[in-house]
Amino acid sequence: NAGVMQNPRHLVRRRGQEARLRCSPMKGHSHVYWYRQLPEEGLKFMVYLQKENIIDESGMPKERFSAEFPKEGPSILRIQQVVRGDSAAYFCASSRGPRQYSNQPQHFGDGTRLSIL
Amino acid sequence: TQLLKQSPQFLSIQEGENLTVYCNSSSVFSSLQWYRQEPGEGPVLLVTVVTGGEVKKLKRLTFQFGDARKDSSLHITAAQPGDTGLYLCAGGSPAGNMLTFGGGTRLMVKP
Repeated sequence: NAGVMQNPRHLVRRRGQEARLRCSPMKGHSHVYWYRQLPEEGLKFMVYLQKENIIDESGMPKERFSAEFPKEGPSILRIQQVVRGDSAAYFCASSRGPRQYSNQPQHFGDGTRLSIL
Repeated sequence: TQLLKQSPQFLSIQEGENLTVYCNSSSVFSSLQWYRQEPGEGPVLLVTVVTGGEVKKLKRLTFQFGDARKDSSLHITAAQPGDTGLYLCAGGSPAGNMLTFGGGTRLMVKP
């Protein structure tokens, strides 16, 4: 399977714990995007990263949320001190080039379902 | 803030019927993508339209991008139970990198 890989598929955390979500982009893709989806809603953009750089984080909450895409390894979305409202499906997408200049389509992984107890 | 409104939100039809899903905005988009999402899975790209007035066909699915690039439609001919799912439109802004998603249309096709 050469698609976008996300893990874990399901993650349960208690309030106050940390959640780490991982995303490996499609082969040949160096642009990663994170989205959040609440039940019965569309996806909301969170952050756009290239290798080692955050390009656009306009959709990220100002506190507790961070993202990285290191030179080696997957992209990580980190949520510190989780609260009940963080419960959602978190999707990662990747593209070959920047969407802005080349309308490169974004291909999505199957998401991580985060549940906060 | 760019917004995309999809209609209808829910649609339940019988196998063999035709249907149209609409995606509307007051903003101009540089591209419009349609995705289908199954429960427990990520959105799967169906099509990308980039030119105003563009029409693309994918078997029984016809996608149209409005002349002003503010709206789009998805028409399904002779719907089948396998078409059941959540259909999402997503617009790419001329200045940004993210996609703006509509709220989705949940389609159920009954045999």
